[in-house]
Amino acid sequence: DTGVSQNPRHKITKRGQNVTFRCDPISEHNRLYWYRQTLGQGPEFLTYFQNEAQLEKSRLLSDRFSAERPKGSFSTLEIQRTEQGDSAMYLCASSFLGTLTYNEQFFGPGTRLTVL
Amino acid sequence: KNEVEQSPQNLTAQEGEFITINCSYSVGISALHWLQQHPGGGIVSLFMLSSGKKKHGRLIATINIQEKHSSLHITASHPRDSAVYICAVSIVGTYKYIFGTGTRLKVLA
Repeated sequence: DTGVSQNPRHKITKRGQNVTFRCDPISEHNRLYWYRQTLGQGPEFLTYFQNEAQLEKSRLLSDRFSAERPKGSFSTLEIQRTEQGDSAMYLCASSFLGTLTYNEQFFGPGTRLTVL
Repeated sequence: KNEVEQSPQNLTAQEGEFITINCSYSVGISALHWLQQHPGGGIVSLFMLSSGKKKHGRLIATINIQEKHSSLHITASHPRDSAVYICAVSIVGTYKYIFGTGTRLKVLA
């Protein structure tokens, strides 16, 4: 399967614990995006990378959130000291941004986080 | 006011009906996307539009750049079309997506 993969698919944690999610993009894609989706809402932008550089972070991303994309391949999203409000589906998408592209993004299956 | 507005939020149709979902946006875009999301979360791209009209099977998507409006039509709807349909726009420059809240469609047999 050469699509975007995310691990784990589900994570249940207790308030105050740290969690880390991983996203493996489509191999030749140079852009990687993280979004968060709460129940009944559309996804919201969190951050994105071009290769290994993190180019933009949403105001939604508090200091407890950090994302990395070492070597411009897979990416990790870490949430420290989780709160119940962090419960959501975390979606990763990747794309190839070239000179003649509208940057269509391909989505992973998401990681559903439940904070008890 | 959200930058991307969809209507209706919920839609129930009988099998065979013609369905229209609307999307309006208020920002500068490089393209507009129609996405389908099934229970469990997976998002699939249906269309990417920068102008005009596209058709794929029973699905048709149109966009009017001047009016900042797009529609997704489903002809001869079927219960397997039941899903959440999301309109998203990619922003000039960053190309990040801004999403509408989605339209939850249920097609009854």
